[in-house]
Amino acid sequence: GAVVSQHPSWVICKSGTSVKIECRSLDFQATTMFWYRQFPKQSLMLMATSNEGSKATYEQGVEKDKFLINHASLTLSTLTVTSAHPEDSSFYICSAGGLAGIDNEQFFGPGTRLTVL
Amino acid sequence: GQQLNQSPQSMFIQEGEDVSMNCTSSSIFNTWLWYKQDPGEGPVLLIALYKAGELTSNGRLTAQFGITRKDSFLNISASIPSDVGIYFCAGHGSGNTGKLIFGQGTTLQVKP
Repeated sequence: GAVVSQHPSWVICKSGTSVKIECRSLDFQATTMFWYRQFPKQSLMLMATSNEGSKATYEQGVEKDKFLINHASLTLSTLTVTSAHPEDSSFYICSAGGLAGIDNEQFFGPGTRLTVL
Repeated sequence: GQQLNQSPQSMFIQEGEDVSMNCTSSSIFNTWLWYKQDPGEGPVLLIALYKAGELTSNGRLTAQFGITRKDSFLNISASIPSDVGIYFCAGHGSGNTGKLIFGQGTTLQVKP
C-alpha cells in the first residue's frame, strides 16, 4: 500500500506557458496532500498543504497565484505553475498523508522535473 | 521556526561497513521519520518513530527516537552498493500542523 503517483514525470515548456502536475494516491485516501520543491543537492522545501475540498495553505514566500493547487478529491491533487519562467525550473514532489488514519506519515510521489526554456 | 540539523552531510564508505547518521533539534519533536531518496526520484519512507526511546528496525536499518525527543539516529549495517542515495530525517514538531520538517540530508556513497 501507500503508493503515490505523479504525472508527468518530466516536462519541458516555453517561458510564459502554464504547466499542470497531477498527484494521485493510488491505494488509499489521502486526507492531506503536500507539494514540495527541491533544488539540486538540497533538501525538500514545502510549498503548500492542501486538504480535500478546501483552499490550500501556502508557505511564506510562495505565491499562491503563481502555484495554483486544487485538491478535488481524496485521491487527486494538482499543482499548476502559471506563466512559468526559467527560475521555476525545479523538481516538484508531492506527498500524501492519511494512510490507515496515520496522518503523521507522508508518502511521496516520484517527482516531476520541470524545465522552463 | 523549528529546524533539524542532520549530520554528517556526506559519507563515503567501503561496502560491508556500518553507517550511522543523526538528526538533532533545539526543540521537541513528536514524530521522527527517515527517508531515502535516489537520484531523480521521490523520497521513500524507511522507518517511522512515534515514541521517545523507541528503537525500530527495518532489515539492515535501525533507527531510534531519542529520549529527550530532540534527536534521532539511523544506522545501516553491512552496507551494500544499493544503499547509495540521500537519507533525510524528518519530523513533526509542536503544533501538530501535519507539516514535516526536513533535515539537510546525508549523501551516502558506497565503494564496492
